Amino acid sequence: AQTVTQSQPEMSVQEAETVTLSCTYDTSESDYYLFWYKQPPSRQMILVIRQEAYKQQNATENRFSVNFQKAAKSFSLKISDSQLGDAAMYFCAYPNTGNQFYFGTGTSLTVIP
Amino acid sequence: DGGITQSPKYLFRKEGQNVTLSCEQNLNHDAMYWYRQDPGQGLRLIYYSQIVNDFQKGDIAEGYSVSREKKESFPLTVTSAQKNPTAFYLCASSFQGVTEAFFGQGTRLTVV
Repeated sequence: AQTVTQSQPEMSVQEAETVTLSCTYDTSESDYYLFWYKQPPSRQMILVIRQEAYKQQNATENRFSVNFQKAAKSFSLKISDSQLGDAAMYFCAYPNTGNQFYFGTGTSLTVIP
Repeated sequence: DGGITQSPKYLFRKEGQNVTLSCEQNLNHDAMYWYRQDPGQGLRLIYYSQIVNDFQKGDIAEGYSVSREKKESFPLTVTSAQKNPTAFYLCASSFQGVTEAFFGQGTRLTVV
């Protein structure tokens, strides 16, 4: 069974600092995608970044980047120059080849002014 | 604008009643999903559908039913058999193949 684990229920970061959110997953597939979603207080799920497993290069989207370690099945999200608007729940997601998306339990990020 | 629309945003139901949550998308997506979100438990898959007139149970399908008569629509019925229906429900859709899922704004269901 595929599972996604986020071991940090809550994290905090000072504004303008960097924070890393952790995610591990379990799969027997060799080619797959991984995603990070953000859920602000409005509860609208917003795609932050995606990583394709066959690509060795870590994905980057502006201040957001990932550290993808395929062998370790680890997929962490780094937020640089944190802003107040980054405060949200962050979910790691893994979709299997049947398009079933599996989500972690989320990490609640607080940004301290 | 293309998107995925859930309605209503808030819904109240008396115990013993069935209630249907609406989900409509105009993104031409093939696949649609229903998730339940409870505090501390992330998103759990209730049902998903990859094509019209076909759908599969997710991890927590008991007490729920769905239909997929049109590509654009994937309504979820919360039946009286669902023992703890108070939750936040999210609908999502995606293209076939592994691409990102797009989400609606959710429906907060409260049983009173």
